[in-house]
Amino acid sequence: GAVVSQHPSWVICKSGTSVKIECRSLDFQATTMFWYRQFPKQSLMLMATSNEGSKATYEQGVEKDKFLINHASLTLSTLTVTSAHPEDSSFYICSARDPSSGYEQYFGPGTRLTVT
Amino acid sequence: SQKIEQNSEALNIQEGKTATLTCNYTNYSPAYLQWYRQDPGRGPVFLLLIRENEKEKRKERLKVTFDTTLKQSLFHITASQPADSATYLCAPSLDSNYQLIWGAGTKLIIKP
Repeated sequence: GAVVSQHPSWVICKSGTSVKIECRSLDFQATTMFWYRQFPKQSLMLMATSNEGSKATYEQGVEKDKFLINHASLTLSTLTVTSAHPEDSSFYICSARDPSSGYEQYFGPGTRLTVT
Repeated sequence: SQKIEQNSEALNIQEGKTATLTCNYTNYSPAYLQWYRQDPGRGPVFLLLIRENEKEKRKERLKVTFDTTLKQSLFHITASQPADSATYLCAPSLDSNYQLIWGAGTKLIIKP
Protein backbone atom coordinates (compact mmCIF):
# COMPACT_ATOMS: atom_id res chain seq x y z
CA GLY A 1 0.00 0.00 0.00
CA ALA A 2 0.91 3.64 -0.33
CA VAL A 3 3.34 4.89 2.30
CA VAL A 4 3.83 8.42 3.54
CA SER A 5 6.67 9.37 5.84
CA GLN A 6 7.15 12.41 8.02
CA HIS A 7 10.26 13.81 9.57
CA PRO A 8 10.93 14.50 12.33
CA SER A 9 8.55 12.44 14.43
CA TRP A 10 8.95 14.88 17.28
CA VAL A 11 10.73 18.16 17.83
CA ILE A 12 11.23 20.57 20.69
CA CYS A 13 12.15 24.12 19.85
CA LYS A 14 12.47 27.44 21.61
CA SER A 15 9.96 30.21 21.20
CA GLY A 16 10.84 32.46 18.26
CA THR A 17 12.66 29.86 16.21
CA SER A 18 11.45 28.13 13.04
CA VAL A 19 10.84 24.44 12.50
CA LYS A 20 10.57 22.55 9.22
CA ILE A 21 8.55 19.35 8.89
CA GLU A 22 8.94 17.13 5.84
CA CYS A 23 6.29 14.92 4.30
CA ARG A 24 7.24 12.37 1.65
CA SER A 25 5.25 9.93 -0.43
CA LEU A 26 7.57 6.93 -0.70
CA ASP A 27 6.04 4.76 -3.40
CA PHE A 28 3.74 7.02 -5.35
CA GLN A 29 3.59 10.49 -6.80
CA ALA A 30 1.32 12.82 -4.89
CA THR A 31 -0.02 15.77 -6.82
CA THR A 32 -1.94 16.86 -3.73
CA MET A 33 -0.86 16.79 -0.12
CA PHE A 34 -2.75 18.02 2.92
CA TRP A 35 -1.47 19.42 6.19
CA TYR A 36 -3.45 19.00 9.40
CA ARG A 37 -2.99 19.83 13.04
CA GLN A 38 -4.62 17.95 15.86
CA PHE A 39 -5.00 18.91 19.49
CA PRO A 40 -5.49 16.22 22.14
CA LYS A 41 -8.84 14.45 21.89
CA GLN A 42 -9.93 16.70 19.05
CA SER A 43 -10.62 16.23 15.39
CA LEU A 44 -8.14 16.74 12.60
CA MET A 45 -8.12 20.36 11.47
CA LEU A 46 -7.15 20.97 7.87
CA MET A 47 -4.58 23.74 7.65
CA ALA A 48 -3.83 23.81 3.94
CA THR A 49 -3.94 21.93 0.69
CA SER A 50 -0.65 21.71 -1.14
CA ASN A 51 -0.47 21.16 -4.88
CA GLU A 52 2.79 20.35 -6.60
CA GLY A 53 4.23 23.34 -8.41
CA SER A 54 1.71 25.86 -7.17
CA LYS A 55 0.91 27.87 -4.09
CA ALA A 56 -0.81 26.16 -1.22
CA THR A 57 -4.44 26.90 -0.43
CA TYR A 58 -4.86 27.80 3.21
CA GLU A 59 -7.98 27.30 5.29
CA GLN A 60 -9.66 30.25 6.88
CA GLY A 61 -7.88 31.38 10.00
CA VAL A 62 -4.53 29.79 9.13
CA GLU A 63 -1.75 32.35 8.73
CA LYS A 64 0.06 31.61 5.50
CA ASP A 65 3.07 33.72 6.52
CA LYS A 66 3.44 31.73 9.70
CA PHE A 67 2.89 28.27 8.26
CA LEU A 68 4.93 28.17 5.06
CA ILE A 69 4.16 25.25 2.77
CA ASN A 70 6.31 24.23 -0.16
CA HIS A 71 5.37 21.35 -2.47
CA ALA A 72 8.49 21.33 -4.60
CA SER A 73 8.17 17.87 -6.09
CA LEU A 74 5.64 15.11 -6.55
CA THR A 75 6.99 13.29 -3.52
CA LEU A 76 7.86 16.04 -1.06
CA SER A 77 5.97 18.76 0.75
CA THR A 78 7.34 20.78 3.65
CA LEU A 79 5.66 22.77 6.39
CA THR A 80 7.72 25.43 8.13
CA VAL A 81 6.40 26.89 11.34
CA THR A 82 8.02 30.31 11.55
CA SER A 83 8.62 32.23 14.76
CA ALA A 84 7.05 29.45 16.76
CA HIS A 85 5.18 30.18 19.96
CA PRO A 86 4.00 27.81 22.70
CA GLU A 87 0.45 27.91 21.30
CA ASP A 88 1.81 26.34 18.10
CA SER A 89 2.59 23.21 20.07
CA SER A 90 0.48 20.48 18.51
CA PHE A 91 0.48 17.26 16.51
CA TYR A 92 1.02 18.01 12.82
CA ILE A 93 0.04 15.37 10.29
CA CYS A 94 0.38 15.33 6.53
CA SER A 95 -1.52 13.20 4.07
CA ALA A 96 -1.25 12.55 0.38
CA ARG A 97 -3.60 11.36 -2.28
CA ASP A 98 -2.44 8.83 -4.83
CA PRO A 99 -4.19 9.85 -8.05
CA SER A 100 -4.03 6.30 -9.35
CA SER A 101 -5.87 4.74 -6.42
CA GLY A 102 -8.87 6.92 -5.75
CA TYR A 103 -10.10 9.27 -3.10
CA GLU A 104 -8.51 7.83 0.01
CA GLN A 105 -5.75 9.74 1.72
CA TYR A 106 -2.59 8.19 3.08
CA PHE A 107 -1.29 9.74 6.25
CA GLY A 108 2.15 10.21 7.64
CA PRO A 109 2.86 9.15 11.22
CA GLY A 110 2.67 12.74 12.46
CA THR A 111 5.09 15.18 14.06
CA ARG A 112 4.75 16.23 17.68
CA LEU A 113 5.90 19.84 18.01
CA THR A 114 6.60 21.30 21.43
CA VAL A 115 7.55 24.96 21.67
CA THR A 116 9.12 25.98 24.97
CA SER B 1 -22.11 25.17 8.14
CA GLN B 2 -21.14 21.57 7.45
CA LYS B 3 -21.16 19.44 10.56
CA ILE B 4 -20.10 15.90 11.37
CA GLU B 5 -21.25 14.17 14.53
CA GLN B 6 -19.76 11.05 16.00
CA ASN B 7 -20.44 9.65 19.41
CA SER B 8 -18.03 11.56 21.62
CA GLU B 9 -18.22 9.03 24.42
CA ALA B 10 -16.06 5.95 24.33
CA LEU B 11 -17.76 2.77 23.20
CA ASN B 12 -17.01 -0.30 25.31
CA ILE B 13 -17.65 -3.65 23.63
CA GLN B 14 -17.01 -7.18 24.80
CA GLU B 15 -14.58 -9.16 22.69
CA GLY B 16 -16.34 -11.23 20.05
CA LYS B 17 -19.35 -8.94 19.81
CA THR B 18 -20.16 -6.56 16.97
CA ALA B 19 -19.20 -2.93 17.45
CA THR B 20 -21.34 -0.33 15.69
CA LEU B 21 -20.21 3.28 15.34
CA THR B 22 -22.38 6.10 14.05
CA CYS B 23 -21.59 9.11 11.88
CA ASN B 24 -24.18 11.78 11.20
CA TYR B 25 -23.69 14.78 8.95
CA THR B 26 -25.70 17.92 8.28
CA ASN B 27 -25.86 20.79 5.84
CA TYR B 28 -24.31 19.10 2.84
CA SER B 29 -24.49 16.10 0.57
CA PRO B 30 -21.20 14.23 0.35
CA ALA B 31 -20.39 12.28 -2.77
CA TYR B 32 -18.51 9.70 -0.72
CA LEU B 33 -17.62 8.94 2.85
CA GLN B 34 -14.49 7.41 4.31
CA TRP B 35 -13.68 5.72 7.60
CA TYR B 36 -10.25 5.81 9.17
CA ARG B 37 -8.65 4.32 12.25
CA GLN B 38 -6.32 6.35 14.44
CA ASP B 39 -4.14 4.99 17.21
CA PRO B 40 -2.74 7.33 19.91
CA GLY B 41 0.11 9.47 18.63
CA ARG B 42 -0.21 8.16 15.08
CA GLY B 43 -1.67 9.35 11.80
CA PRO B 44 -5.02 7.94 10.64
CA VAL B 45 -5.12 4.79 8.54
CA PHE B 46 -7.64 4.42 5.72
CA LEU B 47 -10.17 1.60 6.18
CA LEU B 48 -13.11 1.90 3.80
CA LEU B 49 -14.70 4.27 1.31
CA ILE B 50 -18.34 4.20 0.31
CA ARG B 51 -19.96 6.27 -2.43
CA GLU B 52 -23.33 7.97 -2.30
CA ASN B 53 -24.84 5.45 -4.71
CA GLU B 54 -23.69 2.49 -2.60
CA LYS B 55 -25.74 1.24 0.32
CA GLU B 56 -23.16 -1.05 1.85
CA LYS B 57 -19.46 -1.90 1.61
CA ARG B 58 -17.60 -4.78 3.23
CA LYS B 59 -13.97 -5.60 3.88
CA GLU B 60 -13.16 -8.65 5.96
CA ARG B 61 -14.73 -8.01 9.40
CA LEU B 62 -15.68 -4.44 8.54
CA LYS B 63 -18.95 -3.21 7.10
CA VAL B 64 -20.01 0.33 6.28
CA THR B 65 -23.48 1.57 5.34
CA PHE B 66 -24.39 4.93 3.86
CA ASP B 67 -27.94 6.29 4.12
CA THR B 68 -28.17 9.58 2.23
CA THR B 69 -31.79 10.07 3.33
CA LEU B 70 -30.93 9.83 7.03
CA LYS B 71 -27.57 11.53 6.38
CA GLN B 72 -25.89 8.80 8.32
CA SER B 73 -23.18 6.18 8.01
CA LEU B 74 -22.79 3.17 10.27
CA PHE B 75 -19.47 1.38 10.74
CA HIS B 76 -19.56 -2.20 12.00
CA ILE B 77 -16.75 -4.43 13.24
CA THR B 78 -17.85 -8.02 13.65
CA ALA B 79 -16.13 -10.54 15.91
CA SER B 80 -14.35 -7.65 17.60
CA GLN B 81 -10.89 -8.14 19.09
CA PRO B 82 -8.89 -6.12 21.64
CA ALA B 83 -6.59 -5.11 18.76
CA ASP B 84 -9.54 -3.25 17.23
CA SER B 85 -9.39 -0.77 20.10
CA ALA B 86 -8.66 2.66 18.60
CA THR B 87 -10.37 5.89 17.63
CA TYR B 88 -12.42 5.67 14.46
CA LEU B 89 -12.89 8.74 12.32
CA CYS B 90 -15.62 9.44 9.83
CA ALA B 91 -14.87 11.74 6.88
CA PRO B 92 -17.54 12.61 4.35
CA SER B 93 -16.40 14.53 1.30
CA LEU B 94 -17.65 16.41 -1.69
CA ASP B 95 -16.30 15.18 -4.98
CA SER B 96 -14.72 18.33 -6.24
CA ASN B 97 -11.62 19.00 -4.21
CA TYR B 98 -10.78 15.77 -2.41
CA GLN B 99 -10.82 17.59 0.91
CA LEU B 100 -12.20 15.58 3.78
CA ILE B 101 -14.35 16.99 6.54
CA TRP B 102 -13.57 15.15 9.75
CA GLY B 103 -15.65 14.03 12.64
CA ALA B 104 -14.06 14.12 16.09
CA GLY B 105 -13.96 10.35 16.19
CA THR B 106 -15.30 7.68 18.49
CA LYS B 107 -12.97 5.83 20.82
CA LEU B 108 -13.67 2.12 20.71
CA ILE B 109 -12.52 -0.13 23.54
CA ILE B 110 -12.76 -3.88 23.09
CA LYS B 111 -12.57 -5.68 26.41
CA PRO B 112 -11.25 -9.25 26.58
